[in-house]
Amino acid sequence: DIQMTQSPASLSASLGETVTIECRASEDIYNGLAWYQQKPGKSPQLLIYNANSLHTGVPSRFSGSGSGTQYSLKINSLQSEDVASYFCQQYYDYPYTFGAGTKLELK
Amino acid sequence: EVKLVESGGGLVQPGRSLKLSCAASGFSFNDYWMGWVRQAPGKGLEWIGEINQDSSTINYTPSLKDKFTISRDNAQNTLYLQMSKLGSEDTAIYYCARSDGPFAYWGQGTLVTVSS
Repeated sequence: DIQMTQSPASLSASLGETVTIECRASEDIYNGLAWYQQKPGKSPQLLIYNANSLHTGVPSRFSGSGSGTQYSLKINSLQSEDVASYFCQQYYDYPYTFGAGTKLELK
Repeated sequence: EVKLVESGGGLVQPGRSLKLSCAASGFSFNDYWMGWVRQAPGKGLEWIGEINQDSSTINYTPSLKDKFTISRDNAQNTLYLQMSKLGSEDTAIYYCARSDGPFAYWGQGTLVTVSS
């Protein structure tokens, strides 16, 4: 199985700040990487797919980058509604696997 | 509008079985792979598996392959998850999702609690 190592586990940032979350795969996943946002008590929502493509309706302050085994999610100009947990997922090879998540809080 | 509604969760005793359903609407159900993901209380997401359009291919995470069975009824636009030999470690919210590679659409989830 492909292991997804996500960091940091938690993050505290101020409004307007730029934050970056990292995800490392145990082998090359050829951009088969998605990022999800999950707010408390809600279902996960797709933000980014194919490592760097923005899902429909997602604000442009979210962006994804990376290749090979290293990927990142960047949130520009942090807003209060961005407080959530974020998960990466590889869908390059079965079984698909998720990172452990990053909990983003406001400072 | 794509809509996925899970049902069938609840309290179940250890060792028993339970079958979850996911009713789909707002898209052509038989054109898409569908999958299940679960989330234990306060924990991360765990991919359970997914099924292709005509049920000829079903992929599972290895640790759950002998306990869980995914199926679908395209005539009823419904996805199923049959769970057997349930233990406390299976207590979680179970989500169904439409698989477009990544999971682009998710249901609201159904809570399964395994306890005596």
